[in-house]
Amino acid sequence: QKEVEQNSGPLSVPEGAIASLNCTYSDRVSQSFFWYRQYSGKSPELIMSIYSNGDKEDGRFTAQLNKASQYVSLLIRDSQPSDSATYLCAVISSGSARQLTFGSGTQLTVLP
Amino acid sequence: NAGVTQTPKFRILKIGQSMTLQCTQDMNHNYMYWYRQDPGMGLKLIYYSVGAGITDKGEVPNGYNVSRSTTEDFPLRLELAAPSQTSVYFCASTTRAQTDTQYFGPGTRLTVL
Repeated sequence: QKEVEQNSGPLSVPEGAIASLNCTYSDRVSQSFFWYRQYSGKSPELIMSIYSNGDKEDGRFTAQLNKASQYVSLLIRDSQPSDSATYLCAVISSGSARQLTFGSGTQLTVLP
Repeated sequence: NAGVTQTPKFRILKIGQSMTLQCTQDMNHNYMYWYRQDPGMGLKLIYYSVGAGITDKGEVPNGYNVSRSTTEDFPLRLELAAPSQTSVYFCASTTRAQTDTQYFGPGTRLTVL
């Protein structure tokens, strides 16, 4: 059973702070890793994807991947109240029909 | 370009009733998926399809059926609805490219009473 685990949260940070979200996965052959943001009552939307070890930056967001430790994280710098949402970590394993396995999500609240 | 569309947005069923959730994408994507999301949880894969005429079970297929007669459409059928099927259902699609993401529809909120 392929599993994706996220820190349970909820996580609260003050506006302007760095929010750190963590995710571990069980399938060693996983190749593709995604962070989705989901506002209450809405569908998930992709905010970051990462495929190789190291850091990937996109604006205020940085994804970090360590395949040896089976760990992926998302940093949100200069957090804004509009970042308040649930963040879902998702993984595609090698050899699959690109099915995503999701973590249960971490609810982030950015306090003004 | 509408992306992934789902109908209906909301539905209330009685125990034992049946219904079909519709999903259509206009991006010519080969791969399509159905997920369910229970409150406070991540998404769980119900069924998926890699092309017209080809479907396969995901993690939680019991109580559901699918078909894929065209590239665009991937309906999900609930037979004999049960309270355990109360959930939000999302349809998604993507291409074969490793770097492409899944695009999600807006979801159908289903309550079984």
